[in-house]
Amino acid sequence: GESVGLHLPTLSVQEGDNSIINCAYSNSASDYFIWYKQESGKGPQFIIDIRSNMDKRQGQRVTVLLNKTVKHLSLQIAATQPGDSAVYFCAGGRRSGGTSYGKLTFGQGTILTVHP
Amino acid sequence: DTGVSQNPRHKITKRGQNVTFRCDPISEHNRLYWYRQTLGQGPEFLTYFQNEAQLEKSRLLSDRFSAERPKGSFSTLEIQRTEQGDSAMYLCASSRDTVNTEAFFGQGTRLTVV
Repeated sequence: GESVGLHLPTLSVQEGDNSIINCAYSNSASDYFIWYKQESGKGPQFIIDIRSNMDKRQGQRVTVLLNKTVKHLSLQIAATQPGDSAVYFCAGGRRSGGTSYGKLTFGQGTILTVHP
Repeated sequence: DTGVSQNPRHKITKRGQNVTFRCDPISEHNRLYWYRQTLGQGPEFLTYFQNEAQLEKSRLLSDRFSAERPKGSFSTLEIQRTEQGDSAMYLCASSRDTVNTEAFFGQGTRLTVV
């Protein structure tokens, strides 16, 4: 079945460093991927998405890389700030296929801790 | 606040009782999703509505669970005869019916079954 998972459950960095969070997926049927940030007691917050026909997409301080050959996804956060401390989830979904649109399969999550 | 609103934020109930949660999506969003999240895990898809039609249900949604979106606006999720294993965060999300993939999540309802 479709599954999306993460390599590392925790990541600790110093303020100002760059952070890289990794994710592996097993089902090639996902045609887009999303990174979400979840702070304690809150719902997931959309960070950035990437379609499966892309290798890289940049946002504000974030970059998502997609390697379809090895089914690997990463989120890079530049100049990490204490406010970036949260749990980060990758999720995969299918854009086409009728009712499957919008249904996301989430990974376990990585806890990012940014030390001042 | 024009985001996704969920009520209540917290619910403690005794095993065997019924509970109902409400989700008010962003007003112009015609797609609405329910997810369940347990501690340390990512959200798991439960069900999905387009307008008032429930188009997909996960196998996680047992017969004790029912979701409705009668007028295509707010939605309710009811759990009958709650069990301790139902304890989780129940998240609602909504999105437009466009190629934009961004789904906005509410803050969730934390259910504790004692």
